[in-house]
Amino acid sequence: DAGVTQSPTHLIKTRGQQVTLRCSPKSGHDTVSWYQQALGQGPQFIFQYYEEEERQRGNFPDRFSGHQFPNYSSELNVNALLLGDSALYLCASSLWRPLNSPLHFGNGTRLTVT
Amino acid sequence: LAKTTQPISMDSYEGQEVNITCSHNNIATNDYITWYQQFPSQGPRFIIQGYKTKVTNEVASLFIPADRKSSTLSLPRVSLSDTAVYYCLVGVRGSYIPTFGRGTSLIVHP
Repeated sequence: DAGVTQSPTHLIKTRGQQVTLRCSPKSGHDTVSWYQQALGQGPQFIFQYYEEEERQRGNFPDRFSGHQFPNYSSELNVNALLLGDSALYLCASSLWRPLNSPLHFGNGTRLTVT
Repeated sequence: LAKTTQPISMDSYEGQEVNITCSHNNIATNDYITWYQQFPSQGPRFIIQGYKTKVTNEVASLFIPADRKSSTLSLPRVSLSDTAVYYCLVGVRGSYIPTFGRGTSLIVHP
């Protein structure tokens, strides 16, 4: 039973560029959430997708956008990269129901912006 | 949003029991308490979840008092491999913005 898989594992981009990160949820899960984790900090919630719609969003600018596909996989897009966007980006999958469905995380994509 | 408070760090030795307490004074009626473990350069891993009283699985126990304003994650007989950051989350989907905070950094010494 495959868990959450993310690609790529590492990425180096230049300030101002755009990046797309990908996530495949755990088998059977229908909900995908994205988190940003800076060094030494806890994961910060970016947004959550279910049925191909953004359902909840954290305090992140519009430069951060996402998409969920019919097979439940998801992409995170970040435009106009800033140095401060350097972080570990985590994808987590869960079930939409029940409400207390725990999050299952991938090992993340390490993004470095130079 | 149920704000949580955890110790920033804890130290223990191999073979000891470790208890990490999380305070959540404004927990809502429908909220669950969920604990995650994170190793460096990995995503958090679900450990245990509870609503009230005590929950036990193969890796940990979770103790929740009747007023539910706090919870304690108990790790029996820790080993070096239990060195990690532990996060307490309170809420359910839709009722909160999932906020991990800085967690508790547990270091297990030989």
